[in-house]
Amino acid sequence: DADVTQTPRNRITKTGKRIMLECSQTKGHDRMYWYRQDPGLGLRLIYYSFDVKDINKGEISDGYSVSRQAQAKFSLSLESAIPNQTALYFCATSEGGRQETQYFGPGTRLLVL
Amino acid sequence: DAKTTQPPSMDCAEGRAANLPCNHSTISGNEYVYWYRQIHSQGPQYIIHGLKNNETNEMASLIITEDRKSSTLILPHATLRDTAVYYCIVREISGAGSYQLTFGKGTKLSVIP
Repeated sequence: DADVTQTPRNRITKTGKRIMLECSQTKGHDRMYWYRQDPGLGLRLIYYSFDVKDINKGEISDGYSVSRQAQAKFSLSLESAIPNQTALYFCATSEGGRQETQYFGPGTRLLVL
Repeated sequence: DAKTTQPPSMDCAEGRAANLPCNHSTISGNEYVYWYRQIHSQGPQYIIHGLKNNETNEMASLIITEDRKSSTLILPHATLRDTAVYYCIVREISGAGSYQLTFGKGTKLSVIP
């Protein structure tokens, strides 16, 4: 069973629509992250959360918002989707501390028409 | 600015050792070397990390030079399932930026039958 799950796995939407990507984890980690990956490029950090009451912007937060509903759940919203938000989105979790290792979900492939 | 330099691609014969190099000449004493891999658009998978000493786990070995300016990830007996993009990342041990994993373009390893 996967420790980090993402829903949906694939999504097609239209420009201007609001959509939400969800992430759940069973690892008991406090820290959660949202990344996006564009073809041929590495991952870029969108938002991160060190606990339920702590939300921080990453490198590319414009056009995105997040909600940390519980320790185990971290959602990413696109308020008004645009075509250049077409990408592969990954959620990750980590325990924090000196040995911080991030564990990634399977990804959500998003296409904005 | 990239903290690591990796060759864009490498081939390895199935069953042979795969040696993936990484240069991190500006690494500081406060930074770990981490390796992740990504198999065909799946979520990145943690492989191994180290600070100064060589490390080995069930997946791979990590050899870090004495001056810490470069490292090599070794997959001892590569299989077709090891075909992936391998990312070498330097990360702060502690401090405000310790959560950050900066993914570059990595090395595309192709294991050939």
